[in-house]
Amino acid sequence: DGGITQSPKYLFRKEGQNVTLSCEQNLNHDAMYWYRQDPGQGLRLIYYSQIVNDFQKGDIAEGYSVSREKKESFPLTVTSAQKNPTAFYLCASRDGQGRLGYTFGSGTRLTVV
Amino acid sequence: EDQVTQSPEALRLQEGESSSLNCSYTVSGLRGLFWYRQDPGKGPEFLFTLYSAGEEKEKERLKATLTKKESFLHITAPKPEDSATYLCAVQAVRGSARQLTFGSGTQLTVLP
Repeated sequence: DGGITQSPKYLFRKEGQNVTLSCEQNLNHDAMYWYRQDPGQGLRLIYYSQIVNDFQKGDIAEGYSVSREKKESFPLTVTSAQKNPTAFYLCASRDGQGRLGYTFGSGTRLTVV
Repeated sequence: EDQVTQSPEALRLQEGESSSLNCSYTVSGLRGLFWYRQDPGKGPEFLFTLYSAGEEKEKERLKATLTKKESFLHITAPKPEDSATYLCAVQAVRGSARQLTFGSGTQLTVLP
């Protein structure tokens, strides 16, 4: 079955560390997105990519970085510059104009220890 | 700036007690309004996309409607398994990219 796989499901980061969250899709979607979700808040856009080797900052990109070397993969790195990284991170992809909706992964919960 | 406001923040219903969730929005150039269901610790699950005022879509006990300023998600005779957070989002084009802006969600609890 086609879908989006995020790993790991839980991730713990020490102060000053960079960590990378994985996102892989086999839906053949061109566009991919990273969102952050905090309790009681809606999803906020971190980065997005419409095509391989191209990506754009979203509303809260500071302290994060991404790459898009393959159509299937869109990893997110949370750097030590992100001062409040504890959150639930969601990866999504979109077909064409999005008429079938955006497909989301199951998420990665990142905790600073 | 695109804005999406959902109300109420939380809703508790008895099984079989019908109700509606509201999503009001301001957006330049709407390219679709989306409803998602999210269970705790999981990613959002797509329910509906609405594109034009007057449009309606149904799925089991759920019915979504759209006006020029808001959308409603009607839940008829809900069951405990309908308990979840329901998210509304609007899609607009910023520059050359389609993006979603989400509301903060309505947490629905259906009691048996």
